[in-house]
Amino acid sequence: DTAVSQTPKYLVTQMGNDKSIKCEQNLGHDTMYWYKQDSKKFLKIMFSYNNKELIINETVPNRFSPKSPDKAHLNLHINSLELGDSAVYFCASSTIGTGTGHEAFFGQGTRLTVV
Amino acid sequence: AQSVTQPDIHITVSEGASLELRCNYSYGATPYLFWYVQSPGQGLQLLLKYFSGDTLVQGIKGFEAEFKRSQSSFNLRKPSVHWSDAAEYFCAVGGFSGGYNKLIFGAGTRLAVHP
Repeated sequence: DTAVSQTPKYLVTQMGNDKSIKCEQNLGHDTMYWYKQDSKKFLKIMFSYNNKELIINETVPNRFSPKSPDKAHLNLHINSLELGDSAVYFCASSTIGTGTGHEAFFGQGTRLTVV
Repeated sequence: AQSVTQPDIHITVSEGASLELRCNYSYGATPYLFWYVQSPGQGLQLLLKYFSGDTLVQGIKGFEAEFKRSQSSFNLRKPSVHWSDAAEYFCAVGGFSGGYNKLIFGAGTRLAVHP
């Protein structure tokens, strides 16, 4: 039983394309996140949703659009992909929030390669 | 501003040797601190967390960490390293952004284990 699952695990696409990454959690959490891990392994938050409402948007280009149809799902759509978007994208979820001491559970990551 | 520093980018130890990974944080209030491990090609798994109480916390896989407020540190330790511990280790603080929660990660420490 996977707690936080992302699809696809690997995504190779050409510059200029539009792609989506899907995320689902079965933990009953109310907060979900997208993190980006760059080539140097540095992890940075992109978005956070609480009960389907966007609560954090960390200066991410507006080519990135998260969508949360319900609190168990958080998808990431990327328009007009650029070479610099190549990274590993992690979905995570937590209850309430990590600022209150609750751990975040991470998916396996989606390795996006833009060619 | 909230931040996490992991001074060691890469550490190599022999199997059976002891291990200490350093983590320093900058945070205005009582921090919530986490250590995550990322095995190659995998997502992040929580090793342990601190949010109150005993400053020495025990985690999974034989790891422990000690919170030292005076030094703003949360170093991870293991008395005897196994080859399977080779991975990337991330220290994180549960922080706030505009009143909402997010994890702020350090740059990670890559651990290599010699047989």
